[in-house]
Amino acid sequence: NAGVTQTPKFQVLKTGQSMTLQCAQDMNHNSMYWYRQDPGMGLRLIYYSASEGTTDKGEVPNGYNVSRLNKREFSLRLESAAPSQTSVYFCASSEGRGETQYFGPGTRLLVL
Amino acid sequence: GEDVEQSLFLSVREGDSSVINCTYTDSSSTYLYWYKQEPGAGLQLLTYIFSNMDMKQDQRLTVLLNKKDKHLSLRIADTQTGDSAIYFCAEKESGYSTLTFGKGTMLLVSP
Repeated sequence: NAGVTQTPKFQVLKTGQSMTLQCAQDMNHNSMYWYRQDPGMGLRLIYYSASEGTTDKGEVPNGYNVSRLNKREFSLRLESAAPSQTSVYFCASSEGRGETQYFGPGTRLLVL
Repeated sequence: GEDVEQSLFLSVREGDSSVINCTYTDSSSTYLYWYKQEPGAGLQLLTYIFSNMDMKQDQRLTVLLNKKDKHLSLRIADTQTGDSAIYFCAEKESGYSTLTFGKGTMLLVSP
């Protein structure tokens, strides 16, 4: 059981480049989440998917898109990266809506 | 939106008890959580308490919930240097699909 996995672990982008952060869980969870963590700001929810086939905006969705590819996978896309998107991105999953969440190890993104 | 507040920093000596505090604003919270984040890692669930409980104990961890004051605390007995980390409080509000996290308390344990 790997739990929640994220790729890549680290990424450096130039302003305007695009990229997709991948997340997968093997716990058969229904709900999945994307957060960003910035110093002094704690964790902020970007998007979530309460169940397969649905996605909803969180607190800070601007500049991001998501895809719930299937029950296991939830990807986060930056279409045109900006320096303000430099952050650590965490994916999480839970069995049901808003229940105990299990986190991946994070992706550290630097946008120059 | 609802807020979850924590103090930013706590420093203790090895062997002492640590108490990390959290306040929240939503009276309809159903579950309250404590997560631990070690440097360079993701968040790890430590423990949680259902809102109809006052206390939960799990080995060195004791969670106290005061619903009247909307105050949650995490006590770590016999704190070790390996307990040095950031601790996040989080709440689940009734009817919501997401958790609201505090900004985290950095615990530094010195030998």
